[in-house]
Amino acid sequence: DTAVSQTPKYLVTQMGNDKSIKCEQNLGHDTMYWYKQDSKKFLKIMFSYNNKELIINETVPNRFSPKSPDKAHLNLHINSLELGDSAVYFCASSQGTGFYEQYFGPGTRLTVT
Amino acid sequence: GENVGLHLPTLSVQEGDNSIINCAYSNSASDYFIWYKQESGKGPQFIIDIRSNMDKRQGQRVTVLLNKTVKHLSLQIAATQPGDSAVYFCAENTGGFKTIFGAGTRLFVKA
Repeated sequence: DTAVSQTPKYLVTQMGNDKSIKCEQNLGHDTMYWYKQDSKKFLKIMFSYNNKELIINETVPNRFSPKSPDKAHLNLHINSLELGDSAVYFCASSQGTGFYEQYFGPGTRLTVT
Repeated sequence: GENVGLHLPTLSVQEGDNSIINCAYSNSASDYFIWYKQESGKGPQFIIDIRSNMDKRQGQRVTVLLNKTVKHLSLQIAATQPGDSAVYFCAENTGGFKTIFGAGTRLFVKA
């Protein structure tokens, strides 16, 4: 059984388009995250939700909007895509905030042309 | 701060040797540290963690050492195997909400 799943795995789109990435976890975790990994492998947190409430919102353009319909899902919608948005986006979950490791999804490679 | 760790150095080791991956963290208030392994095309995977009230923790073939005096973390892998080839990230957590990842270290294992 896949613990944290993301769809799609690959996403190729043109500048200016709007796209969404979906994430689901079946671990019963309370906390979910979105990370962006650039071409140099640097992993940076974008958002975190705890029990469907936004608790971390890093300096991310407001073109990025997360949505958590329930504790098991955290989706990421991106408006007006730009070349610089090209990266691998990872969803993760943890049992809670604090001293808990995070479980990562397989990633979504977004390429903006 | 935002710059935990080194800027993706590379470590090359012979199969069967021990590996040591180092990490410097910047926030003395961090109280929880984690090592993750990322294989090509996959998401990071938890390896081992340590809280700030400890200085050493052992797992299966892995040991994490924490030196709070110099804000240094290391991951030791015993008898390194080809399957250990990956990028390794240290991460720190302060106050329970935000985890900051280092830049990662690429480990190559030569057969």
